[in-house]
Amino acid sequence: ILNVEQSPQSLHVQEGDSTNFTCSFPSSNFYALHWYRWETAKSPEALFVMTLNGDEKKKGRISATLNTKEGYSYLYIKGSQPEDSATYLCAHHNFGNEKLTFGTGTRLTIIP
Amino acid sequence: GAVVSQHPSRVICKSGTSVKIECRSLDFQATTMFWYRQFPKKSLMLMATSNEGSKATYEQGVEKDKFLINHASLTLSTLTVTSAHPEDSSFYICSAKPPGLAGGTQYFGPGTRLLVL
Repeated sequence: ILNVEQSPQSLHVQEGDSTNFTCSFPSSNFYALHWYRWETAKSPEALFVMTLNGDEKKKGRISATLNTKEGYSYLYIKGSQPEDSATYLCAHHNFGNEKLTFGTGTRLTIIP
Repeated sequence: GAVVSQHPSRVICKSGTSVKIECRSLDFQATTMFWYRQFPKKSLMLMATSNEGSKATYEQGVEKDKFLINHASLTLSTLTVTSAHPEDSSFYICSAKPPGLAGGTQYFGPGTRLLVL
């Protein structure tokens, strides 16, 4: 059984501060790691798809790193803004099929 | 681009009735669509993978006669919860994947909240 863990479960951050959270996953049979941003009542929004060990991706103030050998990915948000408040999901994509296994998410709240 | 709609967003029904949920890819063709279910404080759990023109592939423990999936066109997949019971109350969400590179992004609908009384 694939276990994708995200920590922390929830996080409150002061506006303007930077923050980061973790996704850990089994390193065997790894194909890709997906990050999504999910605001309440909206569709999850794809942020990154990462495949290579050492990969770093960036989208505005949000960036992510990937370590496939030890099975973790970090998501960083620089200079948090109220619009960053959302649940951030990671999903492990196993080699050989199209299935995504999701973590439970990190719920981020930015305090103005 | 890559917008997926889902309808209805919320439905309340009586026990024993059937409920149909639609998932549409609005601006791309999706050869593969996925149906997930989420229980409170839990992760999205894949129920089934739906391929256009063929039978859906169900995950272990998901009753295919209870959750009927039809993927009749490249832009529409439907999930029908048959003879719904209160334990079927949950959040159901679909995703769609454009054809092409394996491992590519899945684009999600906004989900459907089902309450069975």
